[in-house]
Amino acid sequence: DAGITQSPRHKVTETGTPVTLRCHQTENHRYMYWYRQDPGHGLRLIHYSYGVKDTDKGEVSDGYSVSRSKTEDFLLTLESATSSQTSVYFCAISESPRVKSTDTQYFGPGTRLTVL
Amino acid sequence: DAKTTQPTSMDCAEGRAANLPCNHSTISGNEYVYWYRQIHSQGPQYIIHGLKNNETNEMASLIITEDRKSSTLILPHATLRDTAVYYCIDNDFHGSSNTGKLIFGQGTTLQVKP
Repeated sequence: DAGITQSPRHKVTETGTPVTLRCHQTENHRYMYWYRQDPGHGLRLIHYSYGVKDTDKGEVSDGYSVSRSKTEDFLLTLESATSSQTSVYFCAISESPRVKSTDTQYFGPGTRLTVL
Repeated sequence: DAKTTQPTSMDCAEGRAANLPCNHSTISGNEYVYWYRQIHSQGPQYIIHGLKNNETNEMASLIITEDRKSSTLILPHATLRDTAVYYCIDNDFHGSSNTGKLIFGQGTTLQVKP
């Protein structure tokens, strides 16, 4: 398995509190992604990063921010958590798609977040 | 929305080949077909991908029709541990964005039975 860890693995928080999820990789891959998975919606891309300090929005980015100050870490922040953000969050990594001619993404184990 | 169509569920007997179909009739010339699977409560796992030619690796084979409008993932000897949701995805990472964006649909739930 690709060296990807996510922390915490489980979190319960209250509406209105800030929450930060961490994704850490040991593969030195350039690209990192945050997805959320909800019943009936499959996996949806929140934000992604194509290098240190380079990030862009995915299809469901409202209410989320990200930061990448080091190659190995990609942080997802919910500034003020809402119940609609209760979900399972997956981090993924890939090498440079255009350079490698492949966009195989490798996923972490996930973080289960519950917002009460 | 996902651009692929897959059956909602399939059953397969243990030890037999599992053939999972996928329709991607709107696929463009630069788009690869990717297959991932997700075993309950785990992160998606990459299986295989291809553009035009059939592909095989240690996990599975991918058969792509000549017109590229559909493909079949083959697990040659399914085991109980292959029970999972299988996702077929077409991905254009040569597009205008910096990355291909995997758009996951609902996938096919494969149940391998003893």
